[in-house]
This record gives sequence, C-alpha cells and structure tokens, in this order.
Amino acid sequence: GAGVSQSPSNKVTEKGKDVELRCDPISGHTALYWYRQRLGQGLEFLIYFQGNSAPDKSGLPSDRFSAERTGESVSTLTIQRTQQEDSAVYLCASSRERGADTQYFGPGTRLTVL
Amino acid sequence: DQQVKQNSPSLSVQEGRISILNCDYTNSMFDYFLWYKKYPAEGPTFLISISSIKDKNEDGRFTVFLNKSAKHLSLHIVPSQPGDSAVYFCAASVRGNKLVFGAGTILRVKS
Repeated sequence: GAGVSQSPSNKVTEKGKDVELRCDPISGHTALYWYRQRLGQGLEFLIYFQGNSAPDKSGLPSDRFSAERTGESVSTLTIQRTQQEDSAVYLCASSRERGADTQYFGPGTRLTVL
Repeated sequence: DQQVKQNSPSLSVQEGRISILNCDYTNSMFDYFLWYKKYPAEGPTFLISISSIKDKNEDGRFTVFLNKSAKHLSLHIVPSQPGDSAVYFCAASVRGNKLVFGAGTILRVKS
C-alpha cells in the first residue's frame, strides 16, 4: 500500500513568512510523529499524535511551531514567522498504534528560510 | 541532554568486510532499540530492532547486539555491500513512547 507522503517536497520562503507542511500517514496508522533534521544533525522529535489523545508537544522548539491532526488522517505542521534557523528537513512518520514502535517515514520536506 | 549518542560520524569499510556501527545511551528506562537507514533525499527506513529482554537479534546480513549493563548497542553488517552506503540512525524508546534518535553515522562501503 501507499507509504507516508509529505508535501511540498521543497519549500523556500523568506524570513518572517508563515509556512504549512503537510503529512499523509499510512492508512490505519493511529500514531503520527513530526521530526526535524538540521544539516549534519540527527532527527529531533517535535510532536506526536496518538488517536484522540492530547498530543505530546514536548519537542516543539518555540510557540511559533504548531501542528494539527484531524482524527487519524492528515496532519499539518505550521511554522509562523519563520527564522533562518528553522531551515531543515521536516520528517513525518506514522505507526500502527501506540506501542508499535516501528515508525514509517515520509520523504520529508526540505525547508529553506532565506 | 543527548540520551542516544553515535560517537562516530562516519565509517568507511571495504566491500565484503564487516561494518560495525555503535550506539550508546544514557536512559536506563529505554526498553526498545531500533536501527534506521537513510539514503539522501529519502526518509529513514526501518532496518532492525531489539527488545531489552534480548541481547541479540539477527536478520539476514544484519545483527544488532545489546549490552544493557554498558548501555551500548551495535549493528553488524556482514558482508558489507556498496548498496549499504547510507546514514544509519540508532533510536531508543520507552515502549509506546516517542523514539529518541542519535545523530547518525555515515557508512561508506567501498567496492
């Protein structure tokens, strides 16, 4: 079946603008995760959704970052007033359920803030 | 606080030889460990995992070893192939919670 998809694949924006990144998880996966990978660094956890439970937002770096997910479907990650340090690859992953730790990743969105 | 560390940023191995990638962790509550492989411009793909109740898990050319007392795990690839060249991420979790990733090790397999 289809894997995790993300859009856009690349986004170039000017400092101060808002951006919205989209993730379509694998159908039936109840858990959804957002990560960020800055150049030369590892994956940095941002936020985790599990079904209808309150999301784990502990990784969001500032209040400029927010994410939403409707039910068990699409999620959007919004970055307001982008800064150059927000430049990174933003990766989305999904897994079958809480406790199923094998996460399946999308190809990522490369964000460049000029 | 880096809970999962991959201290070697890169590793170069001759085709056919063994590749050994290492990972150390600090959180003794971690009970599930995974290795992911990532090619450029793609998302990470799951490779192999191990639960803390085991000390070894094998899948074809890939074997993961877990030393709980040393809080250390390693991934062995035998024999290494050029197609194995990628970034390898170690990850750990307290089962059912978010994964904590290491910074990754770039593996280059030379033919």
